[in-house]
Amino acid sequence: QQPVQSPQAVILREGEDAVINCSSSKALYSVHWYRQKHGEAPVFLMILLKGGEQKGHEKISASFNEKKQQSSLYLTASQLSYSGTYFCGTEIDGANNLFFGTGTRLTVIP
Amino acid sequence: DSGVTQTPKHLITATGQRVTLRCSPRSGDLSVYWYQQSLDQGLQFLIQYYNGEERAKGNILERFSAQQFPDLHSELNLSSLELGDSALYFCASSAGGATASETQYFGPGTRLLVL
Repeated sequence: QQPVQSPQAVILREGEDAVINCSSSKALYSVHWYRQKHGEAPVFLMILLKGGEQKGHEKISASFNEKKQQSSLYLTASQLSYSGTYFCGTEIDGANNLFFGTGTRLTVIP
Repeated sequence: DSGVTQTPKHLITATGQRVTLRCSPRSGDLSVYWYQQSLDQGLQFLIQYYNGEERAKGNILERFSAQQFPDLHSELNLSSLELGDSALYFCASSAGGATASETQYFGPGTRLLVL
């Protein structure tokens, strides 16, 4: 039930774009995205609910393809502050808890 | 600062012992979630309480138990500790709890080391 994230790690230069993918083998009700910096707690980015919506927050946006049971997180014009590990959390239809992926470590260098 | 507090920050104990981790949710939040984060397992959902009642259960071992008190703070009890229980334990809270489709605010975590 744990979603699969890809890539596992990515290194970007400031200003470059990145896409992080999250896919599940189960039908999803919602997908959550969090960012965690080393030694800190995960911080909420956004939730996408069933319905194929796309959300955006400044230069970070995400899409949710319900039929494909997958979500993608888009980071554009990356900044140094984007560095961290990104986790997707998936809520399976009928369940009431989140299953988190193993994370994608993003490093932005000058 | 998420508004979620956890104590203690660090805990070092020996195998076979029992410890209690404490979490206070954000003011007004009714749900508390417990997660375990170890290096090789990522974030694992353990259990959720909503307004004092268990709402959902994840990969929580029988040696672990939790409860939520009338003032909404929660405690996670870990007993017969093993080396593999060493991990970061996070508590998160959310306003409601009917589904997991709400923003969860994470506390700073308790780092447990079992020697």
